[in-house]
Amino acid sequence: EAQVTQNPRYLITVTGKKLTVTCSQNMNHEYMSWYRQDPGLGLRQIYYSMNVEVTDKGDVPEGYKVSRKEKRNFPLILESPSPNQTSLYFCASSLGVGNEQFFGPGTRLTVL
Amino acid sequence: GEDVEQSLFLSVREGDSSVINCTYTDSSSTYLYWYKQEPGAGLQLLTYIFSNMDMKQDQRLTVLLNKKDKHLSLRIADTQTGDSAIYFCAETYGQNFVFGPGTRLSVLP
Repeated sequence: EAQVTQNPRYLITVTGKKLTVTCSQNMNHEYMSWYRQDPGLGLRQIYYSMNVEVTDKGDVPEGYKVSRKEKRNFPLILESPSPNQTSLYFCASSLGVGNEQFFGPGTRLTVL
Repeated sequence: GEDVEQSLFLSVREGDSSVINCTYTDSSSTYLYWYKQEPGAGLQLLTYIFSNMDMKQDQRLTVLLNKKDKHLSLRIADTQTGDSAIYFCAETYGQNFVFGPGTRLSVLP
């Protein structure tokens, strides 16, 4: 089944404790992206990747890192999480930037 | 950056038509999209329209595009309770994907 998976689905952590949210897709997509969803703000793009080893900042990259060492995986790294990063995070992938994006199920992160 | 705007809430009665509006700012977007998010779920592509089209119809869904005014709308005919969700308008801006804030559609019995 073609899908985008994210782990964990739910995470509660404390300020400053490094964490990684994994994202994997099995559709051989080149374009992958991370978003955060906050009430009244919709989805805001954090980082995106056009292909392996090619990543770029979206609208709200501060406090986040990503890597794209393999085509299927695009982990989101929070080196030192802060409470303002409490949010719902979505990973998405598509063939290319103008194509339909397939979304993962979301990761709800709470930073205390 | 680019701004995509939508009204945040819409309530309709079951069986009526719903019209969700969106304004965008990048006239060079090739595609414009409507995504649907049901409670507790990720987003799913509902429909899209190519920028050189004015209208696209797909069963109960009609998308209208006014490029001059940069206005996009989604009409849902015979709205059902299962249509209750958040609807996001989105455009591509360069290599970015830009979403609106989402319109929460509530369908009243």
